This record gives sequence, C-alpha cells and structure tokens, in this order.
Amino acid sequence: DAGITQSPRYKITETGRQVTLMCHQTWSHSYMFWYRQDLGHGLRLIYYSAAADITDKGEVPDGYVVSRSKTENFPLTLESATRSQTSVYFCASSESRQGQRSYGYTFGSGTRLTVV
Amino acid sequence: DAKTTQPPSMDCAEGRAANLPCNHSTISGNEYVYWYRQIHSQGPQYIIHGLKNNETNEMASLIITEDRKSSTLILPHATLRDTAVYYCIVRPRRSGTASKLTFGTGTRLQVTL
Repeated sequence: DAGITQSPRYKITETGRQVTLMCHQTWSHSYMFWYRQDLGHGLRLIYYSAAADITDKGEVPDGYVVSRSKTENFPLTLESATRSQTSVYFCASSESRQGQRSYGYTFGSGTRLTVV
Repeated sequence: DAKTTQPPSMDCAEGRAANLPCNHSTISGNEYVYWYRQIHSQGPQYIIHGLKNNETNEMASLIITEDRKSSTLILPHATLRDTAVYYCIVRPRRSGTASKLTFGTGTRLQVTL
C-alpha cells in the first residue's frame, strides 16, 4: 500500500544495545524527518533529510545516527541505547517544490521504544 | 521561526463549532500558518494551512486576521472523533531547503456529548 510505514511498532531493548527504527515512504518525497515524543511533551526533531545522501541535525540529535541511501528509506539508529531514549518515534515525509507552496507533512504511525 | 501561543485546553459540545485560536504575533511575510492534530497515540495529521487568505477544506476552515498576527481553526461541526491535540505551527517557505516543522504543546480539544 502507498504511504509511510514505520517498523517495528513496538520495541523493547536493553541499555547499551544498538537498535534501528525503519521508515519507508512510497511517494518519492524529497524530505524525510524523525521526531521523538515523550509523555506530556510535544514532538522534537531529531534528524531530517532533504534528499538521498543529504541529512542534517535537528533539535535533539545526540545519540542517534541516520542514513539515506535511497529516497524512500530513512532509518534511525540508536548506537547505544539509553533509558532517556525511551520514547515514541515518528517518521514523516514531505514534498516541497522550489518556488511553489510547500505542502504538509505526512506522519507514520510511530514506533514505541522502551529501553530497560 | 515565529513562535505560536495556544490555550492549553478547550472543550466543545458535539455538533457545535470548535474555534481554536492561535497567536503568532511575530510572523513574517513569507511564513505560512499550518495546523495539525494528533489523536491519542497516533502520528500527527495535517489539517490545513494558509498564508494570508482564509482557507477551507473538507476538514476545517482557517481564518487569518488581516495583520496575520493571529488565526483561528474552525471545525464546523465537532464530533467525538475530533478530540485531539491541535498544533498551530508557523513554517517559513524557504525554497531549496528543508522547511522544518517545530511543534509546541498545542491545544487539547475535548469534544463532549
């Protein structure tokens, strides 16, 4: 099905482990984003990407690594998970055309990550 | 990026119009006003956006004041399924660069019977 999908939906991992959250979109949108949302807080931007092989840090990038070798995929890796990274992670994509009105984001359903 | 101010919570009776205000007094001329909502545990959902003219789509209407310092999102006939957190976001239009959305804490709208 077309859209943006995140996997897994739920993940429990131990402190110090490496874990990768997957995000896949079928629209060939240029921009992709990773946000985290903690209980009682808004969404905070971790990393974003304007195109394949172009990534940049957001508001809270420490402890995370991203890559974008293909336009449709934007995996987020926690190199050594910590309890403070327990959160719900949302991936989003957006198409923005130069010189024209930019469009809204479409978000995935989220990955609920618990680090024990 | 311009900062937005929204009331933390609002109630609305089902079937009535829900009017959600947003203040963005420092908005600049090339910045759009976007509205998203997040229903419990789901990813945020795009609702509507505008620059200076009022906008309407199948979900809602967006009224932007003439000086663009504030706006109101209108859900004309609220239902229980509209219970959610609503985010008002000001987003600059920068061609050629990733135009990031910065989420605040939003307004928690509770629709009641």
